[in-house]
Amino acid sequence: LAKTTQPISMDSYEGQEVNITCSHNNIATNDYITWYQQFPSQGPRFIIQGYKTKVTNEVASLFIPADRKSSTLSLPRVSLSDTAVYYCLVGGRSGYSTLTFGKGTMLLVSP
Amino acid sequence: DTGVSQNPRHKITKRGQNVTFRCDPISEHNRLYWYRQTLGQGPEFLTYFQNEAQLEKSRLLSDRFSAERPKGSFSTLEIQRTEQGDSAMYLCASSPPLGRGEGDTQYFGPGTRLTVL
Repeated sequence: LAKTTQPISMDSYEGQEVNITCSHNNIATNDYITWYQQFPSQGPRFIIQGYKTKVTNEVASLFIPADRKSSTLSLPRVSLSDTAVYYCLVGGRSGYSTLTFGKGTMLLVSP
Repeated sequence: DTGVSQNPRHKITKRGQNVTFRCDPISEHNRLYWYRQTLGQGPEFLTYFQNEAQLEKSRLLSDRFSAERPKGSFSTLEIQRTEQGDSAMYLCASSPPLGRGEGDTQYFGPGTRLTVL
């Protein structure tokens, strides 16, 4: 399973754009990149998933360079409610995926 | 679609007692996972079911742990002779069948927080 590296914590203010970068140097050809968000005492919540280039949904954007050795989760105009832990994971599309979570990035949004 | 549900949400027990948790996945999701999460750490994989078949178990799943999914719908996780080290959040997740464009997206329940005194 590809290992991921992401910052332990980040600070931001309301209304700012937040970019969280994740490194996954040994990502495999069939691996997808998935980001989850987790609030205290809740299960992780799927945010976005991509394979290459850029993916955008109503919540976030995911930027993946051509070499796929890293990815950046972009949260536009964060609010206080975006304070959470964000996990970056890589896993194969075929078969099942036993997700391997790291410690994630604790994002703190201040007024 | 009401999402993945887990019961109970909280469980306090004394060391040595047995506990059982239940997970109801999203309907039509044939894949089901159990994870354990301790404070400050990401979730750790415990076991995986496809329909009623338990296809993988982590080495974290000691002999005191057993999981079932008898009819391929809900699942139970039982811990026998609980120890204080078992205190954690136990998370369940489910995924839709393969080949429908969401093969590797897992949807998590709210978890069951276990405290062993």
